[in-house]
Amino acid sequence: AQSVTQLGSHVSVSEGALVLLRCNYSSSVPPYLFWYVQYPNQGLQLLLKYTSAATLVKGINGFEAEFKKSETSFHLTKPSAHMSDAAEYFCAVSVGSNYQLIWGAGTKLIIKP
Amino acid sequence: SQTIHQWPATLVQPVGSPLSLECTVEGTSNPNLYWYRQAAGRGLQLLFYSVGIGQISSEVPQNLSASRPQDRQFILSSKKLLLSDSGFYLCALGRSSYNSPLHFGNGTRLTVT
Repeated sequence: AQSVTQLGSHVSVSEGALVLLRCNYSSSVPPYLFWYVQYPNQGLQLLLKYTSAATLVKGINGFEAEFKKSETSFHLTKPSAHMSDAAEYFCAVSVGSNYQLIWGAGTKLIIKP
Repeated sequence: SQTIHQWPATLVQPVGSPLSLECTVEGTSNPNLYWYRQAAGRGLQLLFYSVGIGQISSEVPQNLSASRPQDRQFILSSKKLLLSDSGFYLCALGRSSYNSPLHFGNGTRLTVT
């Protein structure tokens, strides 16, 4: 069965430091992968998506993610964290006959001043 | 562009009372519509999805129900709320395509007292 694992329910980085949020998936077919961001008391917003066109995907707000098939990973990175990046981040994979998204448990990103 | 309207933004209801949450979308037709719930420590839980008027699929057995009386209207209901129904309810729209992301509304925070 397909699944998504996000390592670390909370990640804390200093402002200006590298952000790395981990996502590993399991899928028996080539996956379509997504990263979403959720600010407090708001809905989820698409950050970026992987659809096999390029392994390195650039998204909004300076985030990017690299698809590594050999590692079944799709980690999210940002070179320099900003206080406004504090939010919860969700990784998801699109599989199945009814186009459902399988969601990771989410990672809360904490930015230290 | 696509817009999702959810109301109310916050709601406090006593145990045993009925519930009706409404979601309407603009700027698109024939969307797939979804109801998700976020409860503390439980991540994103898909409750219902609909691929068309009157077509509802339930993902989790519970005391909630959903209806889609019009193409761009999706309603979540309950006859008698339980304490465990507290959470953040999100409506989303998507397409029957693996690389199509979901677009989310701003959610309704429900507290059952």
